[in-house]
Amino acid sequence: NAGVMQNPRHLVRRRGQEARLRCSPMKGHSHVYWYRQLPEEGLKFMVYLQKENIIDESGMPKERFSAEFPKEGPSILRIQQVVRGDSAAYFCASSPLGDGYEQYFGPGTRLTVT
Amino acid sequence: QKEVEQNSGPLSVPEGAIASLNCTYSDRGSQSFFWYRQYSGKSPELIMSIYSNGDKEDGRFTAQLNKASQYVSLLIRDSQPSDSATYLCAARKDAGKSTFGDGTTLTVKP
Repeated sequence: NAGVMQNPRHLVRRRGQEARLRCSPMKGHSHVYWYRQLPEEGLKFMVYLQKENIIDESGMPKERFSAEFPKEGPSILRIQQVVRGDSAAYFCASSPLGDGYEQYFGPGTRLTVT
Repeated sequence: QKEVEQNSGPLSVPEGAIASLNCTYSDRGSQSFFWYRQYSGKSPELIMSIYSNGDKEDGRFTAQLNKASQYVSLLIRDSQPSDSATYLCAARKDAGKSTFGDGTTLTVKP
C-alpha cells in the first residue's frame, strides 16, 4: 500500500528558474495539502486541493506560486522565478476526506535555490 | 500570539522515563488535534489524533485533550532513544488546513 509520493526528492534551481514539485496522494485519497518548512522553522500551510478544485489557498504567496490537482495525474506545486528565500522543504499530505481525517505526509521535496 | 504554541525545549529525559509534551491553541473553533513525530531531515509522521476531551491511548503514547483549557498533551511512556525527535502539535478548525506548532525537540538519553 504505497504512501504519499513526491518527486523529485531534491531539486536545485538557479534564481529566476521555475520549480515544479509533484505529489501523488495515497491510494483512495482525493484531498491534497501542501506545506512548506523553512530551515529551522515550523510547517506552514500553503494550499488545499481536491481533484480539479482549489479549496483553500490562504497560505500561498500572492505571486509566483500556483498549485493544481488535475483530474488525471499528480498534484503540482509550481514556483516561478525562484528566489533564494524559496529554499525550503515542501511537503505534500493527503487524506481520504477533508474534515476530521488524518493527513499523511509524503517524504518531501528539498528545494535549493542557488 | 501564535495559533498553536509548544514548549520549545529541548526536552531531555532518561531512557525508560515518561516524556511529557504540551501544546496550547488559541482558536476555540479548533476541532481536531494531531501529534506528529519528525526526525531530522525527514517528513512528519502521524502518531496520534484526538477529537474529543479526555485521554486516548495507543501503545506507549497517550494523547490528552482539554478543550475548555485549550490544551493538548502527549505522554510517551518508557521512552526509548529511538523516540528522540521533534514532536509537532497540529490543530484543525476547518476542513483541510492544519496549523502546526514550532515543535518540541525530545532527546532520550540511554
